[in-house]
Amino acid sequence: GAGVSQSPSNKVTEKGKDVELRCDPISGHTALYWYRQSLGQGLEFLIYFQGNSAPDKSGLPSDRFSAERTGGSVSTLTIQRTQQEDSAVYLCASSLVGQGTDTQYFGPGTRLTVL
Amino acid sequence: SQQGEEDPQALSIQEGENATMNCSYKTSINNLQWYRQNSGRGLVHLILIRSNEREKHSGRLRVTLDTSKKSSSLLITASRAADTASYFCATGAGSNYKLTFGKGTLLTVNP
Repeated sequence: GAGVSQSPSNKVTEKGKDVELRCDPISGHTALYWYRQSLGQGLEFLIYFQGNSAPDKSGLPSDRFSAERTGGSVSTLTIQRTQQEDSAVYLCASSLVGQGTDTQYFGPGTRLTVL
Repeated sequence: SQQGEEDPQALSIQEGENATMNCSYKTSINNLQWYRQNSGRGLVHLILIRSNEREKHSGRLRVTLDTSKKSSSLLITASRAADTASYFCATGAGSNYKLTFGKGTLLTVNP
């Protein structure tokens, strides 16, 4: 079946602009995750959604970052007033139930470049 | 901070040889997973080993876990050029759904 999809695949923006990154999880997966991969920091957890529960936003690096998940499916990660240090690959993942032993399936990522 | 630390950071071998990558972690875990990443894009899940398991196989992959040493190894047998990628270990603790990744091993398999 279809895997996790993300759009756009690449995004170049100017410093100070807002960007929206989209993630379509695997159908039927109740858990959705956002991670960021940058050269200096490796892979970092950003945010987690599970069903109708309040999201775990503990990994968001600043209040410029926000995410929502509509209808328990598609998620959008928004970065306001982008900075050059926001340049990274943003990866979305989904899993069946969001338990600790759940396999997370990753999308191809969105490469964000902030000029 | 990074939970897992892969070793070596880079590994170059000839096609047909075996490749071994190691991962060490710091705190108690529920499971450990290995992922592959090609060209800095999406991660492909390879194998998950639970904390009560010691060894697991999947095709040409063999993963071991030693919880007393807080370490794991990934063995790829009879490597192929297509195995060239970065390999990451990721740990999950308790009911913690947040995966904590190491910085990865870059494997190059030369034809």
